[in-house]
Amino acid sequence: GQNIDQPTEMTATEGAIVQINCTYQTSGFNGLFWYQQHAGEAPTFLSYNVLDGLEEKGRFSSFLSRSKGYSYLLLKELQMKDSASYLCAVLDSNYQLIWGAGTKLIIKP
Amino acid sequence: ETGVTQTPRHLVMGMTNKKSLKCEQHLGHNAMYWYKQSAKKPLELMFVYNFKEQTENNSVPSRFSPECPNSSHLFLHLHTLQPEDSALYLCASSQGERRDEQYFGPGTRLTVT
Repeated sequence: GQNIDQPTEMTATEGAIVQINCTYQTSGFNGLFWYQQHAGEAPTFLSYNVLDGLEEKGRFSSFLSRSKGYSYLLLKELQMKDSASYLCAVLDSNYQLIWGAGTKLIIKP
Repeated sequence: ETGVTQTPRHLVMGMTNKKSLKCEQHLGHNAMYWYKQSAKKPLELMFVYNFKEQTENNSVPSRFSPECPNSSHLFLHLHTLQPEDSALYLCASSQGERRDEQYFGPGTRLTVT
């Protein structure tokens, strides 16, 4: 079966750095997405990785290792507004989007 | 504002009612999606439309009936729902089907009593 694993919940301190991991087992791979979802709001696109390596976008970076079936989202200089759920999703060989259950990130002052 | 709107935002309905959820995208996208989001579970893809043609029905019970009159509008007609259908229903759109980033609406919080 196809599976995406992410931690259910993480806690971090304002101003710090946090890494949210995502591991996947899918039938083929055509890219990995990260989305952010604030409570009661729509998910919004953060990043897309299809090649190995690190993609940086301001305070957020996303890393992919296809050989390890692994990605992480790195958030730097955490702000209170970064409290949200972070969803990992993988496009398989049939371009089906397989979603993880999301990681709820709690930021403390 | 993501360019995707959904109405109503909240809906409470009895198991014998009939209601409809509406989604509209103002982005000129060609693909639209319905998802079900339940607490602590992955997003469940329900239906996919591309150029207003249904391209996926993910084994969704017939009490959920989608309608896509054009590329900008998507409806989800509901009838004789069950309490376990209570969830957040999200609509999304993308330029191309599946491969592109999706833009989500704010969702309809549905409670079936």
